[in-house]
Amino acid sequence: EAQVTQNPRYLITVTGKKLTVTCSQNMNHEYMSWYRQDPGLGLRQIYYSMNVEVTDKGDVPEGYKVSRKEKRNFPLILESPSPNQTSLYFCASSFLNSRAELFFGEGSRLTVL
Amino acid sequence: DQQVKQNSPSLSVQEGRISILNCDYTNSMFDYFLWYKKYPAEGPTFLISISSIKDKNEDGRFTVFLNKSAKHLSLHIVPSQPGDSAVYFCAASSSGGSYIPTFGRGTSLIVHP
Repeated sequence: EAQVTQNPRYLITVTGKKLTVTCSQNMNHEYMSWYRQDPGLGLRQIYYSMNVEVTDKGDVPEGYKVSRKEKRNFPLILESPSPNQTSLYFCASSFLNSRAELFFGEGSRLTVL
Repeated sequence: DQQVKQNSPSLSVQEGRISILNCDYTNSMFDYFLWYKKYPAEGPTFLISISSIKDKNEDGRFTVFLNKSAKHLSLHIVPSQPGDSAVYFCAASSSGGSYIPTFGRGTSLIVHP
């Protein structure tokens, strides 16, 4: 089954404690991206990657890091989480340079105390 | 600066009536438009799309209309059903941008029985 898998789905953590949200897709997609969804602000792009070892900043990259060492995986790293990073995070993937739609993961709800 | 705008945060409609969700864009380079649907606790899923060479695309109860001169598109749902209650995101992309979508902030549709 074609899917984008995120883990963890829910996480409560404290300020400053490093965490990683994993994302994996099984569709051989070149393009992967992270979004955060906040009330009234819709989906805002954090980082994206067009292929292995190629990453770029989206609209709200501050406080986040990503890596793309393998085509299927695109982890989101919060080195020192802060309360303003409390949000619902979505990973998405698609084929590049096509009109194929994005496939989204089910989301990871992160709370930073 | 928002390139894709959904000016109505919410819309309430009676079951069986038409739902019309609107979206405006500012970037004239956008040539491909999509609508995504999102239920609570799930990731967004692709609903329908339209290329700029068309002005209408229909899929069952869902029709998307594109008015390029006005830089406006709309999603019509006829007839609306309670199961259509969700957040709808409009997205726009371009061949020059590798078809990476830019999202609007979403419209929450509630269909009352």
